[in-house]
Amino acid sequence: TQLLEQSPQFLSIQEGENLTVYCNSSSVFSSLQWYRQEPGEGPVLLVTVVTGGEVKKLKRLTFQFGDARKDSSLHITAAQPGDTGLYLCAGGSGYSTLTFGKGTMLLVSP
Amino acid sequence: GAGVSQTPSNKVTEKGKYVELRCDPISGHTALYWYRQSLGQGPEFLIYFQGTGAADDSGLPNDRFFAVRPEGSVSTLKIQRTERGDSAVYLCASSLGTSNMNEQFFGPGTRLTVL
Repeated sequence: TQLLEQSPQFLSIQEGENLTVYCNSSSVFSSLQWYRQEPGEGPVLLVTVVTGGEVKKLKRLTFQFGDARKDSSLHITAAQPGDTGLYLCAGGSGYSTLTFGKGTMLLVSP
Repeated sequence: GAGVSQTPSNKVTEKGKYVELRCDPISGHTALYWYRQSLGQGPEFLIYFQGTGAADDSGLPNDRFFAVRPEGSVSTLKIQRTERGDSAVYLCASSLGTSNMNEQFFGPGTRLTVL
């Protein structure tokens, strides 16, 4: 069974701070996706990374896929209250089944 | 264009009852997925359809759970003899193709509460 461990489980910070959340596995994935989920809504895809060592930037968000394709990180610069939400990583192997981590709940206070 | 819609948004039922949860995918999306999300957890894969057929139902927890997609569009997740442990948010997603590179678009979910 492929498992994805996310850390920290919960993060509460002030507006303007930087933060990094992690997604780790003992398994190799062909792709790694990051989603953000708000209360009462389904997850929304932020990024997909597929190449070991790949770095993708989306405005203030920087995503990195580990060289061995077993781990990933999400770094947010100058966090804003609108960044509040549950951040989920999901690993893909082969066809379409995704394995999700438990998520990191981020709370950004003004 | 409309996104993935799910009905009902909330369902409260009693232990032992039968429930049906409906998912309307994005028009033209051939792949459809059901996930279950318990409190404090990430979504857990249940079943995936490619067209009308279930391509992978390995995530269904037991034979009380069943899903159909008879015309390759709308899907219904059916749960028989509900148990309190079935309480969760049931999420549906759809995508254009079968590769895990294809973005899955999620609906808002149905919150099922079994009393």
